[in-house]
Amino acid sequence: DAGVTQSPTHLIKTRGQQVTLRCSPISGHKSVSWYQQVLGQGPQFIFQYYEKEERGRGNFPDRFSARQFPNYSSELNVNALLLGDSALYLCASSFSTGDADTQYFGPGTRLTVL
Amino acid sequence: GENVEQHPSTLSVQEGDSAVIKCTYSDSASNYFPWYKQELGKGPQLIIDIRSNVGEKKDQRIAVTLNKTAKHFSLHITETQPEDSAVYFCAANNYGGSQGNLIFGKGTKLSVKP
Repeated sequence: DAGVTQSPTHLIKTRGQQVTLRCSPISGHKSVSWYQQVLGQGPQFIFQYYEKEERGRGNFPDRFSARQFPNYSSELNVNALLLGDSALYLCASSFSTGDADTQYFGPGTRLTVL
Repeated sequence: GENVEQHPSTLSVQEGDSAVIKCTYSDSASNYFPWYKQELGKGPQLIIDIRSNVGEKKDQRIAVTLNKTAKHFSLHITETQPEDSAVYFCAANNYGGSQGNLIFGKGTKLSVKP
């Protein structure tokens, strides 16, 4: 079975631009979470979506937004990019939103902001 | 909210030796503790997880122990091999917070020397 897939693999943007990252969860999984991983740090939670509804939000500015589609895939949007947004953006899928639900990560999208 | 501390930040062992990575957490309500392995340029891969109703779990050369009273958990890798070299992250769920999101430690870079 295919794991979590993300696109694109790499992306280069300039300050002030907008970016959209995409994620497809494991088949049968209904929840998608987004994390930001800055070089040398652990992933940091951004959003969780389940059944197209936001179920959780981390400590990120309103420039970050996301949505989930009926097929459970998801998009993460970041507006007005800053240099500090350069990071690996990870998508994780899980069957539901249970507190002890196993999350499986995709390979990530490497975003570089110049 | 939950906070996870991970030690050591780097660990170097000889092939065949054991490696131990320790994590502490702050929120006694956390009840799910996964460990992830991340190789260069890839997303985190789940290697083992433990829930708070058990004290130890093993999977071949990998084991995790949990001490709820002391609020710490550890990863044990026996008979290390060069392919075990990677960055390892511990995490705890943010029970009662943003549903199901994981709080990660800062990672341990494990190097196994042949």
